[in-house]
Amino acid sequence: QLQLQESGPGLVKPSETLSLTCTVSGGSISSSTYYWGWIRQPPGKGLEWIASMSYSGSTYYNPSLKSRVTISVDTSKNQFSLKLSSVTAADTAVYYCARRPSGPGPYDYWGQGTLVTVSS
Amino acid sequence: DIQMTQSPSSLSASVGDRVTITCRASQGISNYLAWYQQRPGKVPKLLIYAASTLQSGVPSRFSGSGSGTDFTLTISSLQPEDVATYYCQKYNTAPRTFGQGTKVEIK
Repeated sequence: QLQLQESGPGLVKPSETLSLTCTVSGGSISSSTYYWGWIRQPPGKGLEWIASMSYSGSTYYNPSLKSRVTISVDTSKNQFSLKLSSVTAADTAVYYCARRPSGPGPYDYWGQGTLVTVSS
Repeated sequence: DIQMTQSPSSLSASVGDRVTITCRASQGISNYLAWYQQRPGKVPKLLIYAASTLQSGVPSRFSGSGSGTDFTLTISSLQPEDVATYYCQKYNTAPRTFGQGTKVEIK
């Protein structure tokens, strides 16, 4: 059974960089069949797609966040990561990692999510 | 970018009622539309993809329809466990935008 687990600091100071890692177990991240993505949800609000990438490095970003976002993959650790720079309180959210099929496809496996609060 | 608009934003219905949620895309997306259910405090769960294909394990009271710009999610007989917020998502191209969500409650 595929499992995804987010990890990283739960508190980040304004103007700093938010860094999260998603560890994939029960399957290989080095599959051309899937893309790996990040989605966030501010408290009490809706879902916002952030970015996705393949194990080979093909990436897609939400234009509204593109200037601040970097995603990367570490196939040796079966992990992928998110970095969001220059954070503000508006970046406070539950961050989910998820998997989708390569080519057009929905997110069929999700991590449990991790709350990141931006505050001094 | 293509915008996804859901209606209504919330609804209250009785157990056993038929419930319909609408999702409209600002441009045509063929059938590249998914529906997710997010129960309170839980992770979003894929219900339907390709506008009308039920994900494995999802009860048959859920159905989806539509193509192009207009889509619907129908719950044929609302159950207490269906209390949740439902989101549509386009996935033909990036950005893979979600609708704003529809909160379903029991009357």
